[in-house]
Amino acid sequence: DTGVSQNPRHKITKRGQNVTFRCDPISEHNRLYWYRQTLGQGPEFLTYFQNEAQLEKSRLLSDRFSAERPKGSFSTLEIQRTEQGDSAMYLCASSLDSIYGYTFGSGTRLTVV
Amino acid sequence: AQTVTQSQPEMSVQEAETVTLSCTYDTSESDYYLFWYKQPPSRQMILVIRQEAYKQQNATENRFSVNFQKAAKSFSLKISDSQLGDAAMYFCAYRVYTGNQFYFGTGTSLTVIP
Repeated sequence: DTGVSQNPRHKITKRGQNVTFRCDPISEHNRLYWYRQTLGQGPEFLTYFQNEAQLEKSRLLSDRFSAERPKGSFSTLEIQRTEQGDSAMYLCASSLDSIYGYTFGSGTRLTVV
Repeated sequence: AQTVTQSQPEMSVQEAETVTLSCTYDTSESDYYLFWYKQPPSRQMILVIRQEAYKQQNATENRFSVNFQKAAKSFSLKISDSQLGDAAMYFCAYRVYTGNQFYFGTGTSLTVIP
């Protein structure tokens, strides 16, 4: 296991299109997190899964955003009707428990044109 | 509300010298963790060092150490014997002990001058 994997690395889409990102966490990690990072800012929390249950959602996660983690393994983050303001780096992280820090993936950079 | 402030957008250091990155935070919680993460250009964020708020002793990881001042809500990172590979964006982060969400600062971009 080589860490948290995110695909695609880059995505360019036209405004109004839907996009989906995938995150494969470290296999034994039961906790999975999505963050968004815009230019010049630190990552901002979007949502958190423990196994397959989505336990926390930020108010940043508008109704155009949906995240799933079927079977408690990989996770997907979908953005519907993308807007230019959605352009950002979307980071996934996983952890085994709540005590230690996360292991981050390399992120998916979304550009909405 | 929890906030994390990094007042130094950019810092530079000569190779082999020591540099200190500043971080302050605001919280009403008593039990929490503080972290420093490193984000090299186009690469993933990696954990540099972690501090539990209940521990008075400052955390140390090889060339990296922190100065944790709980009363002042200050958490600075000292990098000794700076190396070219230390060049990156450094983020200070906070998490409530029982929470799942990290709160990050805006980052400090560190340049290491050969």
